[in-house]
Amino acid sequence: DAKTTQPPSMDCAEGRAANLPCNHSTISGNEYVYWYRQIHSQGPQYIIHGLKNNETNEMASLIITEDRKSSTLILPHATLRDTAVYYCIVRVASGGGADGLTFGKGTHLIIQP
Amino acid sequence: NAGVTQTPKFRVLKTGQSMTLLCAQDMNHEYMYWYRQDPGMGLRLIHYSVGEGTTAKGEVPDGYNVSRLKKQNFLLGLESAAPSQTSVYFCASGRGTPHGYTFGSGTRLTVV
Repeated sequence: DAKTTQPPSMDCAEGRAANLPCNHSTISGNEYVYWYRQIHSQGPQYIIHGLKNNETNEMASLIITEDRKSSTLILPHATLRDTAVYYCIVRVASGGGADGLTFGKGTHLIIQP
Repeated sequence: NAGVTQTPKFRVLKTGQSMTLLCAQDMNHEYMYWYRQDPGMGLRLIHYSVGEGTTAKGEVPDGYNVSRLKKQNFLLGLESAAPSQTSVYFCASGRGTPHGYTFGSGTRLTVV
């Protein structure tokens, strides 16, 4: 799986959009980009994933650059409950993805009141 | 629909004792995983299973054994606990790529 690079920490004001960047310059054509988050002491929570196109769900939007070498997770209206560590993970699409996800250190997003 | 349930939630063991952590999922997922997370670090994969009756080693398998006798359950065993196994253990299940995983709430294990 391709390696990802994320800033170790970020701040965002409550009510504003939180934009979390991720660099994955060695990504292959068959690899998905996944985002998970981990709120303190809880299990990780799946947020969103994408391959080429931008994606949106009830939690967030994922913007993937045209060359697929970077992406941005957008939380449109951040709340204090969005304070968490956010993990960007790249994973191959074929083969069922059976052998698990590799978690880095992620970005610690702190939402300021 | 409970998702992924881990038992126990907390446990303190003495060095050399054994124990089994249970992970149960009610989503009919084929794939199940055990991770450990140490302070300030990301999750590391211990063992995983791609279906009932199958298991495989992950990144940090030493000192652990697993079994998947039923599709819905994935057991993690420590035969002789060591202080280095003090950690938070997370179980996850999934349908495979491209779908996301569902994680349990964790088991906090301290070995003294």
